[in-house]
Amino acid sequence: GAVVSQHPSRVICKSGTSVKIECRSLDFQATTMFWYRQFPKQSLMLMATSNEGSKATYEQGVEKDKFLINHASLTLSTLTVTSAHPEDSSFYICSARTGQGASREQYFGPGTRLTVT
Amino acid sequence: AQKVTQAQTEISVVEKEDVTLDCVYETRDTTYYLFWYKQPPSGELVFLIRRNSFDEQNEISGRYSWNFQKSTSSFNFTITASQVVDSAVYFCALSDRVDKIIFGKGTRLHILP
Repeated sequence: GAVVSQHPSRVICKSGTSVKIECRSLDFQATTMFWYRQFPKQSLMLMATSNEGSKATYEQGVEKDKFLINHASLTLSTLTVTSAHPEDSSFYICSARTGQGASREQYFGPGTRLTVT
Repeated sequence: AQKVTQAQTEISVVEKEDVTLDCVYETRDTTYYLFWYKQPPSGELVFLIRRNSFDEQNEISGRYSWNFQKSTSSFNFTITASQVVDSAVYFCALSDRVDKIIFGKGTRLHILP
């Protein structure tokens, strides 16, 4: 089946610094990737949708200047948390969509646990 | 607006018991998809099932079964003869075109030995 990887799996950074998380589709091309955030013991919340070669679409309440998303190729999307603060500590999960029409499928990455100290 | 409600926040059962996780959804779309995912302590989402709105057939996969009823907007998940390895958080989710997936709050399942 289709595989989506994320790097790093865990990252600890200091408050005020920026951190980049990569999401890769390993064996398929993904025109669309999604970024979710999950706080401890809570559900997954969609942050943004990124389409290859165009600007990401952010969900209401998500600061686009703080969470920079780049989808430069059909197999790679990156999420950069800028000027991170402790409240940004969370589990970030990406997913990648493949296929057309009714055969479209979405595959999730293993997640990245971000801790901001 | 789309919404998924998992009323059971946490469930504990003794191993080998059957357990049903409830899921109720809301959508105005006539075409939609329903999902169940398992999230073990490692955090990685494990896909269990996807069902489209036109397929109301119940499904069985080993010890897992799903009951989809459009009349009550429910998509319940039953684990038969539960095992300790089934302990995890289970999410029910809804999507209109396998695009934006809306997740329920999840049910934390504890299987006690």
